[in-house]
Amino acid sequence: NAGVTQTPKFQVLKTGQSMTLQCAQDMNHEYMSWYRQDPGMGLRLIHYSVGAGITDQGEVPNGYNVSRSTTEDFPLRLLSAAPSQTSVYFCASSYTAADYGYTFGSGTRLTVV
Amino acid sequence: AQRVTQPEKLLSVFKGAPVELKCNYSYSGSPELFWYVQYSRQRLQLLLRHISRESIKGFTADLNKGETSFHLKKPFAQEEDSAMYYCASWASGNTPLVFGKGTRLSVIA
Repeated sequence: NAGVTQTPKFQVLKTGQSMTLQCAQDMNHEYMSWYRQDPGMGLRLIHYSVGAGITDQGEVPNGYNVSRSTTEDFPLRLLSAAPSQTSVYFCASSYTAADYGYTFGSGTRLTVV
Repeated sequence: AQRVTQPEKLLSVFKGAPVELKCNYSYSGSPELFWYVQYSRQRLQLLLRHISRESIKGFTADLNKGETSFHLKKPFAQEEDSAMYYCASWASGNTPLVFGKGTRLSVIA
């Protein structure tokens, strides 16, 4: 089992560029979510999904889109990158919302210049 | 709305000293509570969850409903315990985990 795989590990974008952060899990987890981690702010939820075809917004959704066409994949799209989106992004998955806790990916460190 | 408060951004202790990382939650029901740990530049890992009442790496946490707290404790800190610790709460249904802002534990030799 690979667990939760995130790609890329590092990325530098110019302001206004778009990109997709990939997240894949092979544990047949229904629940997936994206968080951003910023110093002093902890982990803030961007979007989450309770199953294929179902997504919902978290605390800080602006500037990000998600879709969930398969159980395995939950990509996060930055539509027009801004310096405020410089952060470390973590994807997480679990069988349900929180019964056994989340399995996290290794993160994507994004810098927007 | 759920809220998880970790009042200390940084906690420094000497090796062998007791550790207590504070966590308070705001939810009127019976939440499930978790502690996650993140070692330097690694992914977050589940440390323990209150429902299992287990001890991991010498850490324990007791849910105090009266004080709405779930403090993480260890009697004797080790240098390898230096990490970022996050408390998290789950209310019910499909609501996602809510995380606190984290406490950085530094164990000084």
